[in-house]
Amino acid sequence: GAVVSQHPSRVICKSGTSVKIECRSLDFQATTMFWYRQFPKQSLMLMATSNEGSKATYEQGVEKDKFLINHASLTLSTLTVTSAHPEDSSFYICSARGRGGTEAFFGQGTRLTVV
Amino acid sequence: AQSVAQPEDQVNVAEGNPLTVKCTYSVSGNPYLFWYVQYPNRGLQFLLKYITGDNLVKGSYGFEAEFNKSQTSFHLKKPSALVSDSALYFCAVRDLAGGDSWGKLQFGAGTQVVVTP
Repeated sequence: GAVVSQHPSRVICKSGTSVKIECRSLDFQATTMFWYRQFPKQSLMLMATSNEGSKATYEQGVEKDKFLINHASLTLSTLTVTSAHPEDSSFYICSARGRGGTEAFFGQGTRLTVV
Repeated sequence: AQSVAQPEDQVNVAEGNPLTVKCTYSVSGNPYLFWYVQYPNRGLQFLLKYITGDNLVKGSYGFEAEFNKSQTSFHLKKPSALVSDSALYFCAVRDLAGGDSWGKLQFGAGTQVVVTP
């Protein structure tokens, strides 16, 4: 299957700082990318969807000014958590789907801890 | 609106025994159905999908799933479970008639599979 690389796998940051998470499709062009948040022992909560070159579409209740998503190219999307707070600590996962593709492929996830 | 239900929080099975993880769905149109597996602190790995065609779908690592339209189910099965199959399993659906051009997936709550030696 297609490979999606997410970096970093773990990050610890101080309250008030910003953190950037990268999601790259390594062997296909990702026309659509999704960002999820997962709480312990819970399902994935979709945060936003982005198409290359377009602004991201955020799910209800997700603050777009806090979770900045950039889908700058067909192989790269970034999620920036701005002014992070301890309640933002979570597991963040990206997924990507190619043009005409039926299934999405997932990154390895990023464990964010805000102290 | 689309939804997915995984009625079991956890399934326990002895190694070598058959494994079944249940999933039912609700969509307004025809569904795309998927199974993913997640190991601790990792992303999701794609196991298999149903798009159209044969109701019995074979996937990775010996898993298969059967699409049952009348029962709106897509249960995941493996004839002989391994200890290494212990993980969190997610069923997901994409509603083709939902008017969602992005093709968003709706995930079930997940089922923890525990395979004991």
